Amino acid sequence: EPEVTQTPSHQVTQMGQEVILRCVPISNHLYFYWYRQILGQKVEFLVSFYNNEISEKSEIFDDQFSVERPDGSNFTLKIRSTKLEDSAMYFCASSEAPGATNQPQHFGDGTRLSIL
Amino acid sequence: AQKITQTQPGMFVQEKEAVTLDCTYDTSDPSYGLFWYKQPSSGEMIFLIYQGSYDQQNATEGRYSLNFQKARKSANLVISASQLGDSAMYFCAMKGGDNAGNMLTFGGGTRLMVKP
Repeated sequence: EPEVTQTPSHQVTQMGQEVILRCVPISNHLYFYWYRQILGQKVEFLVSFYNNEISEKSEIFDDQFSVERPDGSNFTLKIRSTKLEDSAMYFCASSEAPGATNQPQHFGDGTRLSIL
Repeated sequence: AQKITQTQPGMFVQEKEAVTLDCTYDTSDPSYGLFWYKQPSSGEMIFLIYQGSYDQQNATEGRYSLNFQKARKSANLVISASQLGDSAMYFCAMKGGDNAGNMLTFGGGTRLMVKP
């Protein structure tokens, strides 16, 4: 069964550094998402991406964050000037089509980001 | 703004018994979708089941079923014949509704522990 792939599984970075989290969505999916889950807390939406542009973003997704689809398969989340509070599990997800409420979002296994 | 509430932070169930995990939601929009995800200790998010707001019948998927009570705005997950592998965090999530977007809004989760 096709799946969303995320790399790396764990990233340890010094505070103030930039990190890039990578995702390969399911190949026929058109809508891509990033979520984060701070340890012990609920999953929070960051951003959605469709047709090579941001479709929606939350208040969390400020100028520190950016997303990109550099080629036909990868979808990346860049976090600049990382802070301690950026430590979390970051999930990439994808779905087949926008607009339909019944399309499930399929999640990757997540990247655990630890800021020291 | 829409809200998803899972009132049970933790639950125990005996192996082979059925268990119900509660989820209530709040939205003023008649069109929305409700999803349940399972998060094992390894961290990945696994899609389990979907219920649309206009669906006439409760969703079922193998041992998972949804007790959807639209007037009460509840979408409880029922797991029949619990197995040890069902021990995990379970998240209820909504798409659509007042957000009118494709993002998922998650509840705080319920940790289910299956006793042998």
